[in-house]
Amino acid sequence: LAKTTQPISMDSYEGQEVNITCSHNNIATNDYITWYQQFPSQGPRFIIQGYKTKVTNEVASLFIPADRKSSTLSLPRVSLSDTAVYYCLVGPRGENQAGTALIFGKGTTLSVSS
Amino acid sequence: GAGVSQSPSNKVTEKGKDVELRCDPISGHTALYWYRQSLGQGLEFLIYFQGNSAPDKSGLPSDRFSAERTGGSVSTLTIQRTQQEDSAVYLCASRKVDRPQETQYFGPGTRLLVL
Repeated sequence: LAKTTQPISMDSYEGQEVNITCSHNNIATNDYITWYQQFPSQGPRFIIQGYKTKVTNEVASLFIPADRKSSTLSLPRVSLSDTAVYYCLVGPRGENQAGTALIFGKGTTLSVSS
Repeated sequence: GAGVSQSPSNKVTEKGKDVELRCDPISGHTALYWYRQSLGQGLEFLIYFQGNSAPDKSGLPSDRFSAERTGGSVSTLTIQRTQQEDSAVYLCASRKVDRPQETQYFGPGTRLLVL
């Protein structure tokens, strides 16, 4: 699985847009980019996944440049409740893939203040 | 619907004692994973079950750690002769076998403190 690098921490204020960038220089052709969110005292929660260009859902947007060596998670108009650890994961996705575990790094701790 | 549940939510034990941690996956999820998360660290994979068999035990840190799953549902992680370095949050996740790898659903974890 490709190694990922992301900032250890970020600070923001309510209402601002937050962009968290993840580097994955060794991403493979069949790798997807997935982001998880973890609130204190809870398990991680899947928020978004993409392969290339841009993906948007009700929670966030994911921007992936053409070379796919990095990706940016964008959280629009954050609130205090978005304070969490955000993990970037890179790995293959497949319906018939053996149950390889997800590899989590230390993630980015986002702190949102009022 | 009901999510992944784990019990106990917190466990304090003395060094050298054995502990059992339980995971109830989402109904119908045949794949089950155990992870460990130490303070300020990312998740560390321990073991994976497909049904009742464990094709990947590569993450178990020592032979003091074992896990089983019965009836394709509930799983128990057992730590024998606990050590202080075993203190961590133990997370369980499950997924449907026909869904992509990313759709793992995590439980709230069991916080283990070994004194």
